[in-house]
Amino acid sequence: KQEVTQIPAALSVPEGENLVLNCSFTDSAIYNLQWFRQDPGKGLTSLLLIQSSQREQTSGRLNASLDKSSGRSTLYIAASQPGDSATYLCAVSRSYNTDKLIFGTGTRLQVFP
Amino acid sequence: GAVVSQHPSWVICKSGTSVKIECRSLDFQATTMFWYRQFPKQSLMLMATSNEGSKATYEQGVEKDKFLINHASLTLSTLTVTSAHPEDSSFYICSASGTIYNEQFFGPGTRLTVL
Repeated sequence: KQEVTQIPAALSVPEGENLVLNCSFTDSAIYNLQWFRQDPGKGLTSLLLIQSSQREQTSGRLNASLDKSSGRSTLYIAASQPGDSATYLCAVSRSYNTDKLIFGTGTRLQVFP
Repeated sequence: GAVVSQHPSWVICKSGTSVKIECRSLDFQATTMFWYRQFPKQSLMLMATSNEGSKATYEQGVEKDKFLINHASLTLSTLTVTSAHPEDSSFYICSASGTIYNEQFFGPGTRLTVL
């Protein structure tokens, strides 16, 4: 059974810091891994999607890496801003987009001015 | 990217009543839709997967007679919480995928409060 864990569970940092959020999964037979952002009481915003054949994806100040064999992914946030405050979720999919996503436990991030 | 909507965004109902939540894919045909539930400060848990024109597949522990899912068209799926109780209060999120995009797209969620 696939289990997805995120560390740390919560993080509070001053503005401007570079951050690393970690995601680990127990079954390396994944099709892709996705990072989401969720603001309080809101739905999910997709940040980055990494196919299993890829090593990393970048979008603006965000960079996500994937080490499928070791069951790990990291989300790197450069020069954090208060607007980055949210919960970050990673999720893995076993096969094509018609398969369910297994979500991690989430990291609650707070960036203070 | 594709857009998925949910209606209503929030609903308050009395215990024992039924509530219907709609999930629509606005600009693509969704062959598969997923329903997730999220309790406060917890992650998303998949409830069921539905394919257009077929019966939904429910995850272990989810009562199919309580959470009725209908996916009658390629743009609409509905989740009906029957005889709702306070413990059904939660945030319900749907997602949709189709043949064009290689990922799921999520709706904004529906906050259900059962009094």
